[in-house]
Amino acid sequence: GEQVEQLPSILRVQEGSSASINCTYENSASNYFPWYKQEPGENPKLIIDIRSNMERKQTQGLIVLLDKKAKRFSLHITDTQPGDSAMYFCAASAGFASALTFGSGTKVIPCLP
Amino acid sequence: EAAVTQSPRNKVTVTGGNVTLSCRQTNSHNYMYWYRQDTGHGLRLIHYSYGAGNLQIGDVPDGYKATRTTQEDFFLLLELASPSQTSLYFCASSDPSTNSNERLFFGHGTKLSVL
Repeated sequence: GEQVEQLPSILRVQEGSSASINCTYENSASNYFPWYKQEPGENPKLIIDIRSNMERKQTQGLIVLLDKKAKRFSLHITDTQPGDSAMYFCAASAGFASALTFGSGTKVIPCLP
Repeated sequence: EAAVTQSPRNKVTVTGGNVTLSCRQTNSHNYMYWYRQDTGHGLRLIHYSYGAGNLQIGDVPDGYKATRTTQEDFFLLLELASPSQTSLYFCASSDPSTNSNERLFFGHGTKLSVL
């Protein structure tokens, strides 16, 4: 199986600043690493993902980094805004026919400078 | 956008009760999943299925059964519900054979309380 550790559990970040969430995984066969955002009362939705053939991916204010040697991947929210308030989950899988294993989640709380 | 519908949205039962959670997806996805969400634990996989009649055991299967009757329908069964099964349950579907690959489409969840 797979184990995914996610930190921190709560992240308070000033609006306009960058927020960083870190995850580690155990299974060296894992090759797919998505991030899901869950707003209050809603279901989780995919916001960005990265595969093991990449080290960095960026889209719409989000950056994902992957360090396969360290078995570590991270999400960076640039210019955090009130709309970024949500739970964020990292996940990992060994690809096709393997189910996703999720981290325990990070609650991002933007606050005024 | 893929459509995954769960029912009921809320359910209250007593310890030892029999509960069935239903999930239907209408996007011809082959893969379906049941997760439970608990504070501090994130989303944990209970059971999943590759197609009608197929069942795979997830990470926290104890106390749960599941059945995939058709490509569209996936059921989660709690035959002797316990308070530890009080949780928010999410069904999801995916189709790794498409360009969206392993992307999960979640239903809106079923909140289950076992008294």
